[in-house]
Amino acid sequence: DAKTTQPPSMDCAEGRAANLPCNHSTISGNEYVYWYRQIHSQGPQYIIHGLKNNETNEMASLIITEDRKSSTLILPHATLRDTAVYYCIVQDQGAQKLVFGQGTRLTINP
Amino acid sequence: EAGVTQFPSHSVIEKGQTVTLRCDPISGHDNLYWYRRVMGKEIKFLLHFVKESKQDESGMPNNRFLAERTGGTYSTLKVQPAELEDSGVYFCASSQDNGYYGYTFGSGTRLTVV
Repeated sequence: DAKTTQPPSMDCAEGRAANLPCNHSTISGNEYVYWYRQIHSQGPQYIIHGLKNNETNEMASLIITEDRKSSTLILPHATLRDTAVYYCIVQDQGAQKLVFGQGTRLTINP
Repeated sequence: EAGVTQFPSHSVIEKGQTVTLRCDPISGHDNLYWYRRVMGKEIKFLLHFVKESKQDESGMPNNRFLAERTGGTYSTLKVQPAELEDSGVYFCASSQDNGYYGYTFGSGTRLTVV
């Protein structure tokens, strides 16, 4: 079973920041937080990951709370192409397999 | 570089027939994974290859499914005989390392068993 909880759906206006929350209250010390997304008719796409520090790359920012029990994925300037299902996954590096939950269906509106 | 390629993109077969799905990982990626999403359910892990060896096949649903990766390059997933509940989208992914920097997924094969 997935170890994360996400809202089933969210809406965001084009050009605004999209903030996607994720709860992972049972995360253990050696588990990372990964975010993937699946755009319609494509395979899942890796976005970003982190352990305890905030992370930023060309796609998004990841904010992890100090107690590591929750995190937020931030798409700073959402575009219509960011409409997708976003998955928050906690993963032990030794596991080498992803456990997907239902994810959050993000809709970017013009 | 070329991404993960899956063939065919769609397949429609009758119950009881055999279907073989193919996955070509990114060149040089030793790790290859199969996942699937059946109707209304989450994406589920099926198995993991390291080169030609099966590292973890805990997600394979039953013995009607056979995965191979001869020579450690491309992989095939055969379903024989196919059942209605096998319908879904089958994804392949690959990674150079243990997935720390993420896995690269293919676009999937949509299998419909009628």
